[in-house]
Amino acid sequence: AQSVAQPEDQVNVAEGNPLTVKCTYSVSGNPYLFWYVQYPNRGLQFLLKYITGDNLVKGSYGFEAEFNKSQTSFHLKKPSALVSDSALYFCAVRDILYSGGGADGLTFGKGTHLIIQP
Amino acid sequence: EPEVTQTPSHQVTQMGQEVILRCVPISNHLYFYWYRQILGQKVEFLVSFYNNEISEKSEIFDDQFSVERPDGSNFTLKIRSTKLEDSAMYFCASEDRHSYEQYFGPGTRLTVT
Repeated sequence: AQSVAQPEDQVNVAEGNPLTVKCTYSVSGNPYLFWYVQYPNRGLQFLLKYITGDNLVKGSYGFEAEFNKSQTSFHLKKPSALVSDSALYFCAVRDILYSGGGADGLTFGKGTHLIIQP
Repeated sequence: EPEVTQTPSHQVTQMGQEVILRCVPISNHLYFYWYRQILGQKVEFLVSFYNNEISEKSEIFDDQFSVERPDGSNFTLKIRSTKLEDSAMYFCASEDRHSYEQYFGPGTRLTVT
């Protein structure tokens, strides 16, 4: 079975500083990895994904994430945080070992509240 | 930009009643999903749907739940006899398999009293 761990319930960062939101995963096969952001009373917005290729992937709003296979991690990063980045961030995984061409559900972490202080 | 829409935004129902949550996926997507998020908890996968049949379902998706794509545009989730613990935000998502990106709707908040 696949799982995702987001070890921090909350991350506090001063505006302008770099931010990191941690994510580790466990799958049987090779992972497809995703980050989503959720603003209050809104749905989940896709930020970025790792499917294959370069370990560093870039996404929306200046966010990036680094896939590290040996550490089974996919941490979300941004070089300079904005107050508007404050939201709930979810890491998610799909295990392609079981992907038979049908529709595969994502397994989400519990989420990390990112708070950017002015 | 195309988006997934869901109706209603909020549904209040009494325990034991049937509810139908509706979703309109992005028009050229072929893969459809339902997830739920109990207040303060993580998003959980319920069911996926492709080619007019269920592709995968979780242990949460028991006999009380069903999904349907009745008319080629809507995608519905029916809960036959709601329980208090069904109270949650229910999200619909659709996917273009070429990108593997699932796009989520704004959700329906279901409150069972």
